[in-house]
Order: sequence, then C-alpha cells, then structure tokens
Amino acid sequence: LAKTTQPISMDSYEGQEVNITCSHNNIATNDYITWYQQFPSQGPRFIIQGYKTKVTNEVASLFIPADRKSSTLSLPRVSLSDTAVYYCLVGDTNDYKLSFGAGTTVTVRA
Amino acid sequence: DSGVTQTPKHLITATGQRVTLRCSPRSGDLSVYWYQQSLDQGLQFLIQYYNGEERAKGNILERFSAQQFPDLHSELNLSSLELGDSALYFCASSSRDDLMNTEAFFGQGTRLTVV
Repeated sequence: LAKTTQPISMDSYEGQEVNITCSHNNIATNDYITWYQQFPSQGPRFIIQGYKTKVTNEVASLFIPADRKSSTLSLPRVSLSDTAVYYCLVGDTNDYKLSFGAGTTVTVRA
Repeated sequence: DSGVTQTPKHLITATGQRVTLRCSPRSGDLSVYWYQQSLDQGLQFLIQYYNGEERAKGNILERFSAQQFPDLHSELNLSSLELGDSALYFCASSSRDDLMNTEAFFGQGTRLTVV
C-alpha cells in the first residue's frame, strides 16, 4: 500500500476554494487515487477518484501531475457544511484493505 | 443514503457480553468490509468478505469474527466485550473486490457502548 501524507488540518472561510495536497511518493503504475469525506459520527463518503491529469465532478476536482507522486483535491467555494475530515487513499489492486490514514480536518468558518 | 444498511444503530452492553452487528450491502455488491472507529484510533480495517469468502484481514481481534451469508449480508460478532471495544463500527460495500480502485459505500454505522 502506497503511504500517503496529507496535512492534519486546514482552515478556510465560506466561499473560498480549499486545496488539499496528498503526497504518495511510492505510488505504483496501476494505483488509483481516491478521496473520501467523513462527517462526525457518519460513514465516509466517496468524493472522487482519478488516475492521472484532472478529474472533475459536481463536488470536487482532482489534480494529478504527470509523475503522480502527489495529488490535490480542490473544493470550490466551500460552505460551512463542507467542514469534515478528508482522506486520501492510494493502493494497489492486490491490497484489499482500504486503509485510512489520519486524514485532513477541514474547518470552514463563516 | 448510501444503500448500505447497518443494524442496530446503537447498542449498549456490559463487559463480557457478546453482540452481533448486521450489515446489508448495496444491492448487487459482492464485497463487504468492516471497520472500527474509536476516538483515538481513527478508521481501522477489520475484515473483508467477497461473495461469501474471507478476502482480507486487518487488525481484527480473536474475540471478533465475521461472516457473509449467501444473500450477501454480513454479520460481525464481538465477544467477551471490553470497555475498549466501545466504538463506531462501519460496514462498507463495493461491487468489486479491489476496493482501492473502485467506489466504496459506507453505512451509517453501529455505535457500540460497553459499560
């Protein structure tokens, strides 16, 4: 399992863009990068997944540089309800464990 | 609503007791995963089943066991409970077994309190 490193916490204000960078220096050729969001006392929720370049959906964008050793989750125009823990996961197809790290606690203030 | 159903939502029991947590995966999903989340440990992977067979094991104690039934629902059995077993227990499901490269759907969890 490729180890990931992401900031422990980030603060932002409503309406701002939040960018969370995850480092995964040992990512393997077949690995995808996946981000989950978790609110207190709720199960994690899938946000976005990508392999290379840029992926965008209705919730977020994921930017992956050519070397794929890092990725950035971008949350546009955050609101108070985006306050949550965000997890970056990277792993190979032989690892079924889907291990979560500590994640990044994003706090959005009014 | 993720489509994954966990019961019960809350459970309070005494030390030394045994409990069973139930998970119904999303319709059609063959993989079921169990996680434990306590305040000081974060999300810990316990065990995975795929189409009725154990696929991967994580930090699951010997006092804990799980199984997946032919209808694909899963049960997590926790026995000889200790105070430290108090936690949120999540079940997740996915259509494939390589969870790292697909989307997992998590239930709302069962909050277990051991007193």
